[in-house]
Amino acid sequence: DGGITQSPKYLFRKEGQNVTLSCEQNLNHDAMYWYRQDPGQGLRLIYYSQIVNDFQKGDIAEGYSVSREKKESFPLTVTSAQKNPTAFYLCASQTGTLEKLFFGSGTQLSVL
Amino acid sequence: KNEVEQSPQNLTAQEGEFITINCSYSVGISALHWLQQHPGGGIVSLFMLSSGKKKHGRLIATINIQEKHSSLHITASHPRDSAVYICAVSWAGGGADGLTFGKGTHLIIQP
Repeated sequence: DGGITQSPKYLFRKEGQNVTLSCEQNLNHDAMYWYRQDPGQGLRLIYYSQIVNDFQKGDIAEGYSVSREKKESFPLTVTSAQKNPTAFYLCASQTGTLEKLFFGSGTQLSVL
Repeated sequence: KNEVEQSPQNLTAQEGEFITINCSYSVGISALHWLQQHPGGGIVSLFMLSSGKKKHGRLIATINIQEKHSSLHITASHPRDSAVYICAVSWAGGGADGLTFGKGTHLIIQP
């Protein structure tokens, strides 16, 4: 079955450490997104990509980086510059901007 | 800043009740999405609509473009409907940068 796979489900980051969250999809979708979810707030866009080898900053890109070397994969790195990384991170994809969104199951990132 | 507002924030009801969750937005949109988030965090898309009404099983979504308002209805509610329901919009004339999300409505259906 097609879908989006995020890993790991839980991740812990030490002070000064970079960590990478994985997002893989086999839906053949061009557009992929990373969102951050904090308690009591709506999802906020970190980065998005409409095509391989191209990506754009969202509303809260500072302290994060991404790559899109393959259509199927859109990993997110939370760098040491992100001072408040504790949150639930969701990856999503869609065939086009006015199409249904598909979400992964999320990664909960916490700071040790 | 363009906003999406949902009401109520929290809703507790008895099994079998008719449920309504509301979403209003500030300016014109291209499309509105209703999403469901279960404990554990995964999100499922329920509906995407730009006009009129859509129905799937016990769920009905309506949108009034002139009033900038959408509602999600659940008929014959069941404890398995307990989840967070999220409204999200694509702004008209907006770029390819995804959606603006409401804060969600936390629904609990008691047996």
